[in-house]
Amino acid sequence: GDSVTQMEGPVTLSEEAFLTINCTYTATGYPSLFWYVQYPGEGLQLLLKATKADDKGSNKGFEATYRKETTSFHLEKGSVQVSDSAVYFCALLADSWGKFQFGAGTQVVVTP
Amino acid sequence: EPEVTQTPSHQVTQMGQEVILRCVPISNHLYFYWYRQILGQKVEFLVSFYNNEISEKSEIFDDQFSVERPDGSNFTLKIRSTKLEDSAMYFCASHGQGVYSSYEQYFGPGTRLTVT
Repeated sequence: GDSVTQMEGPVTLSEEAFLTINCTYTATGYPSLFWYVQYPGEGLQLLLKATKADDKGSNKGFEATYRKETTSFHLEKGSVQVSDSAVYFCALLADSWGKFQFGAGTQVVVTP
Repeated sequence: EPEVTQTPSHQVTQMGQEVILRCVPISNHLYFYWYRQILGQKVEFLVSFYNNEISEKSEIFDDQFSVERPDGSNFTLKIRSTKLEDSAMYFCASHGQGVYSSYEQYFGPGTRLTVT
């Protein structure tokens, strides 16, 4: 079945450092790919998405490119801030409908 | 901005007890979901609900689980006889109608269920 694998955390880095969170997927069809973020005490919030191969999703300085050849959707940010400390979830939506398949989440801790 | 709310934020219960987790989806949404995340594991789909009936459920969603939309605003998940392995964070989600509406699923903050 469809699945998502993302790197384990926590990832600890200093403010202004470069962030990469790896995400790979397995899917039989043509899924859409998402990154969700969860700040402490809040719900999962959509960060960005890409609906087809080679699409790049971007938001708040974060980017991820849908790579069909490597089945990956790695999240990157060039210069993180303390406010980016959160748990990041990679997810796929098979056939553009219905339930998400999530990864386990990666906690990111940014220190001043 | 509209948001999905869930109550309680943390529920502690003894094994064998019934629990009801409550969610208030966004008011004009029509599709509702429950997911759960056991500590350190993936967020897993439990059930989807539309037009007052279950549209899909996972193998986790056995006879011990049920969902209901008792009124126009609440969406509940009931576990009839909790087991230790039901301890998890439970997320509610909702979205509206239309093509690709699933892309805009709104999630609640979760209810942490601890079964002792």
